[in-house]
Amino acid sequence: QQQVKQSPQSLIVQKGGISIINCAYENTAFDYFPWYQQFPGKGPALLIAIRPDVSEKKEGRFTISFNKSAKQFSLHIMDSQPGDSATYFCAATLNQAGTALIFGKGTTLSVSS
Amino acid sequence: NAGVTQTPKFRVLKTGQSMTLLCAQDMNHEYMYWYRQDPGMGLRLIHYSVGEGTTAKGEVPDGYNVSRLKKQNFLLGLESAAPSQTSVYFCASRLTGAREQYFGPGTRLTVT
Repeated sequence: QQQVKQSPQSLIVQKGGISIINCAYENTAFDYFPWYQQFPGKGPALLIAIRPDVSEKKEGRFTISFNKSAKQFSLHIMDSQPGDSATYFCAATLNQAGTALIFGKGTTLSVSS
Repeated sequence: NAGVTQTPKFRVLKTGQSMTLLCAQDMNHEYMYWYRQDPGMGLRLIHYSVGEGTTAKGEVPDGYNVSRLKKQNFLLGLESAAPSQTSVYFCASRLTGAREQYFGPGTRLTVT
């Protein structure tokens, strides 16, 4: 049973465009939803995260939109740049000792110049 | 601070061989995790540790063992490697009370 479903699997966006990646979760007890960015040959790095008590969080060109009733959250990358080309993972977790991140399967973003 | 480091970066094993992957962190984090990453599968948890001397199974623990003898180190062992264990392995750590996990650079393992 996949607890976090991510789409699309791949995405091609033109420079300056908006990239949107969507995730849906099943466990309503999840209380922390991070997005990780991974470049080839590197480990994932935290990009931005949100808790379910807010509907939106913005950091620079990156925004998370959160819909608690629909159990969905999404990452929006405004003014996408070639340097944003990477694999993006959404994740979710519980606030319990030892609980690890449950990851989506990832979205490979290519920003064409 | 070096953060989370992993040794080795690459390794090729033959079926049935054994090896140990080392993860080290210098951030004094209590929690440490081992994930494997396979194409189209995201990252899946193998084992984790909530402190020195304690370990627990994750989603895909079969074929792996772990040890946390020192707070800063978390070892992942493969006793008898199988081709299905060909993957990229990531270690991560976090501080108690914090939610962010810090990942190492990964170890690419190929089992032939």
